[in-house]
Amino acid sequence: GAVVSQHPSRVICKSGTSVKIECRSLDFQATTMFWYRQFPKKSLMLMATSNEGSKATYEQGVEKDKFLINHASLTLSTLTVTSAHPEDSSFYICSARNLGLGEKLFFGSGTQLSVL
Amino acid sequence: QQQVKQSPQSLIVQKGGISIINCAYENTAFDYFPWYQQFPGKGPALLIAIRPDVSEKKEGRFTISFNKSAKQFSLHIMDSQPGDSATYFCAASMQNSNYQLIWGAGTKLIIKP
Repeated sequence: GAVVSQHPSRVICKSGTSVKIECRSLDFQATTMFWYRQFPKKSLMLMATSNEGSKATYEQGVEKDKFLINHASLTLSTLTVTSAHPEDSSFYICSARNLGLGEKLFFGSGTQLSVL
Repeated sequence: QQQVKQSPQSLIVQKGGISIINCAYENTAFDYFPWYQQFPGKGPALLIAIRPDVSEKKEGRFTISFNKSAKQFSLHIMDSQPGDSATYFCAASMQNSNYQLIWGAGTKLIIKP
């Protein structure tokens, strides 16, 4: 099956610093990548959708200047949480799809961000 | 109309029993219905999926039952095992929206030994 690698799995940072999370599709080209946020015991909340080589489309209420998404290649997307604050602490998950392979969506293992 | 309603919120089943999780949707344009399994601290993993042109799909111990007229679909886990203890999410999507997933709220399943 298709593998999506996400790093780091856990990060602790001080308030005001920026954190970058990487998402790589290892054995397929990801034409579209999605970034989700998940609060404890809650469902996944879509933050943004990115297509390779174009700007990400953010969901309503998600600050594009706070959550910078780059999808520069068909195998790599990054999410940078800029000037992180404690309220940004959450579980962030990426997912990837290649429409040529169908509608299946493959997920990374997630990143637990804790901002002190 | 974009919502997917999932129940129950939590479920406890004895080992060897059948676990049943239900989902309902409103938008008849949905044409892809996956189920995901998520363990604590991990991302969701695709378990099984169905399209509305079939009423049932089985993969090992996991079966999706689909009722198009009632706009409902359910996941059945036969011979439930402690290793099946996880949170399960149903979802729905459609080709017109680039298959963006609309998620259910999730069901925390606990299998008692």
